[in-house]
Amino acid sequence: DPKIIQKPKYLVAVTGSEKILICEQYLGHNAMYWYRQSAKKPLEFMFSYSYQKLMDNQTASSRFQPQSSKKNHLDLQITALKPDDSATYFCASSGQGADTQYFGPGTRLLVL
Amino acid sequence: QQKVQQSPESLIVPEGGMASLNCTFSDRNSQYFWWYRQHSGEGPKALMSIFSNGDKKEGRFTAHLNKASLYVSLHIKDSQPSDSALYFCAVSSGTGGYKVVFGSGTRLLVSP
Repeated sequence: DPKIIQKPKYLVAVTGSEKILICEQYLGHNAMYWYRQSAKKPLEFMFSYSYQKLMDNQTASSRFQPQSSKKNHLDLQITALKPDDSATYFCASSGQGADTQYFGPGTRLLVL
Repeated sequence: QQKVQQSPESLIVPEGGMASLNCTFSDRNSQYFWWYRQHSGEGPKALMSIFSNGDKKEGRFTAHLNKASLYVSLHIKDSQPSDSALYFCAVSSGTGGYKVVFGSGTRLLVSP
């Protein structure tokens, strides 16, 4: 059974719209993360959460908002989508800060 | 701002050969290091971690760390076609927001 679930697998959106990327982990981890991967930036750290609290935010734009409704959930809301947001978004989790991070399968977003 | 650079960008080795991947980092406070591997269409998966100077061997994989030289490497012995993937070096100072900085990756192709 997959331990980190990301939904949907693929997502096509129009410029200006809003989408939510879902992430659930069943590894019992306390820390969760979002990363973005594109041709321009192979694997770019976006956010880290620990015990549902924001630890670090490296995303310049407020259009990206993580949402944690439960300890094992960390969704990513993206508003006012732009073609430049097209990328694969990976969710990851770890026990604590220095622990190995485990990645989900990713959501591939295409903004037209 | 931590900078993590990997070389070479791409590498072709014959099956059974040795692959050597290099990584340099800029923050002398870096404490934790990982090598990740990503096959096409999947999320990155941790291969191994190394936290102390010297060599660490796990099967066909050997990581080497020299913190004073700001350098970490990965050597893959007896390379197999299934080792063909994108390899990332990941570095963390272990403080603050659990941020892990990934290098730009080395694409390894093992030719049968």
